[in-house]
Amino acid sequence: QIQLVQSGPELKKPGESVKISCKASGYTFTDYAMHWVKQVPGKGLKWMGWINTYTGKPTYADDFKGRFVFSLEASASTANLQISNLKNEDTANVFCARGVAGSSGFDYWGQGVMVTVSS
Amino acid sequence: DIVMTQGALPNPVPSGESASITCQSSKSLLHSNGKTYLNWYLQRPGQSPQLLIYWMSTRASGVSDRFSGSGSGTDFTLKISSVEAEDVGVYYCQQFLEYPLTFGSGTKLEIK
Repeated sequence: QIQLVQSGPELKKPGESVKISCKASGYTFTDYAMHWVKQVPGKGLKWMGWINTYTGKPTYADDFKGRFVFSLEASASTANLQISNLKNEDTANVFCARGVAGSSGFDYWGQGVMVTVSS
Repeated sequence: DIVMTQGALPNPVPSGESASITCQSSKSLLHSNGKTYLNWYLQRPGQSPQLLIYWMSTRASGVSDRFSGSGSGTDFTLKISSVEAEDVGVYYCQQFLEYPLTFGSGTKLEIK
């Protein structure tokens, strides 16, 4: 069955970096895009961007340019998100989600990773 | 950016009644290919979002036929017929027409 399994919760201090992984299984990894979505606890969903899993090309939403990097370990069917110079406002649950061709939505989601930034 | 605006529900909704959730986009989501790039998701408490409807009215795989989507280029409705306890959560609309992809602020459904 298709699954996206994300790494575990993270507790970091301001200024530190964090790397979150999203391991896909049950399908051909390079056939589908991988998107990243942020959710502050108790709030709504915000799209961070996506990575083309075939070419490795990332696309970032404006609020996520600079400190955020999407990358792949295609041989391991894994997408990664690295956030550097963490700020308190990065505290959120971060989801990876599989994007279906033809813009028909995110059909599978990871379980989410809670990133907490606190001094 | 395309702004997505969702309406509220008169919570709680009695079990077995129908519920309609509205969503409005600041730009038409009708693509030149004839598809309307509007999706609906449900996020149950403590869970990841789940795709319910894509292209405005197509149910995702495994989704109950109690869920239906309709609308025009800028005004959309998700209808849940005969609400059940498992329908509790927050419903989000999302536009997939152009980057950045944007979500509505969410509509909470509570059941009585």
